[in-house]
Amino acid sequence: AQSVTQLDSHVSVSEGTPVLLRCNYSSSYSPSLFWYVQHPNKGLQLLLKYTSAATLVKGINGFEAEFKKSETSFHLTKPSAHMSDAAEYFCVVSATGNQFYFGTGTSLTVIP
Amino acid sequence: GAVVSQHPSWVICKSGTSVKIECRSLDFQATTMFWYRQFPKQSLMLMATSNEGSKATYEQGVEKDKFLINHASLTLSTLTVTSAHPEDSSFYICSASTYQHNEQFFGPGTRLTVL
Repeated sequence: AQSVTQLDSHVSVSEGTPVLLRCNYSSSYSPSLFWYVQHPNKGLQLLLKYTSAATLVKGINGFEAEFKKSETSFHLTKPSAHMSDAAEYFCVVSATGNQFYFGTGTSLTVIP
Repeated sequence: GAVVSQHPSWVICKSGTSVKIECRSLDFQATTMFWYRQFPKQSLMLMATSNEGSKATYEQGVEKDKFLINHASLTLSTLTVTSAHPEDSSFYICSASTYQHNEQFFGPGTRLTVL
């Protein structure tokens, strides 16, 4: 069985400060893990993905995530938040491309 | 590469009418396509999975006679909302995958508003 828990439904940060969005997963198999961003009334944009290669994954727009098997975590970070980062973020786990398990999402607010 | 489009991006219709939403993989052949529904400020909910040339597999609680899915080719899947009602108003997102990719590629979504 697979599942994803996004530990924070809402995160607020000041512009220029670090961002941390937390995600824990459960998987019976070696999982693939993804982070997507969704701006209002838009579709999903892939930020980064982990597919059993390097555990530190760098994505677009300065985001990165580290796969920690011992902690079953895949937290998303960014050193310095920008106003344009304000959006909804989804963590996804998959054992095969045919089954995606979505987290409930984290809404990121960036305060000027 | 791996671009998925949806058409229309926004549709408004009267209650009782049917609406068709198209999902296309533009630069690859999608062996499997997925349809999701998203309510405001909520996560995506998988409605159904379709393989080209086969009947779609619907998730529990999704009415297959209400949400007709056709996957006639490797690049096109359609979702038809039949006899739409205001409670069908939602954001519908499709995605596509291939045997070569262990991931899904998402379309930009279609907002359906039923008056």
